[in-house]
Amino acid sequence: EAEVAQSPRYKITEKSQAVAFWCDPISGHATLYWYRQILGQGPELLVQFQDESVVDDSQLPKDRFSAERLKGVDSTLKIQPAELGDSAMYLCASSFNWGGNTGELFFGEGSRLTVL
Amino acid sequence: GDSVTQMEGPVTLSEEACLTINCTYTATGYPSLFWYVQYPGEGLQLLLKATKADDKGSNKGFEATYRKETTSFHLEKGSVQVSDSAVYFCAPFSGGYNKLIFGAGTRLAVHP
Repeated sequence: EAEVAQSPRYKITEKSQAVAFWCDPISGHATLYWYRQILGQGPELLVQFQDESVVDDSQLPKDRFSAERLKGVDSTLKIQPAELGDSAMYLCASSFNWGGNTGELFFGEGSRLTVL
Repeated sequence: GDSVTQMEGPVTLSEEACLTINCTYTATGYPSLFWYVQYPGEGLQLLLKATKADDKGSNKGFEATYRKETTSFHLEKGSVQVSDSAVYFCAPFSGGYNKLIFGAGTRLAVHP
């Protein structure tokens, strides 16, 4: 069964360091999402890609976060410099758009970030 | 803006008990409604959905009915199992913002 792949599963870093997360969506899925899930809360959308284009990054803290999906397939989310408040689970999801976005997303297992 | 309110957890039940997790939302228009589930150590996965008023979504013994008049989408199961222990997220799809809006999640713990 096709899955969304994410790495690393766990990352511990010190504040002010740089960190990067990678996501490979299900083959053929045009839409890719990065969510942040703080412990005890629901996921919050950081950025949404349609192919290689950003369609929504309104909640992405652009002073320290960046995301790219250069060839419209896999994607990287970067944080530089990391802050204590960035400790969270970073979830990648993808969906197959056909006639518009339907809300049916396939999620990876997530990358848990701990900033010390 | 669009939002969703879920019943606070944790919800602790004995096996074979009945489950209801309340969910209400505010949204522009008539959004599609979803329940996602997150089992321990795993990513979120779609549990069920409903796309229009009075639709009933169902899967794995869980059901939820799209109630337009009360803007609710409560999750129900008649007899829970230990394997249902997970965090459940209600999520309307906001057509105005073109994205899912997740609730805070409700943790369910089922004991033998």
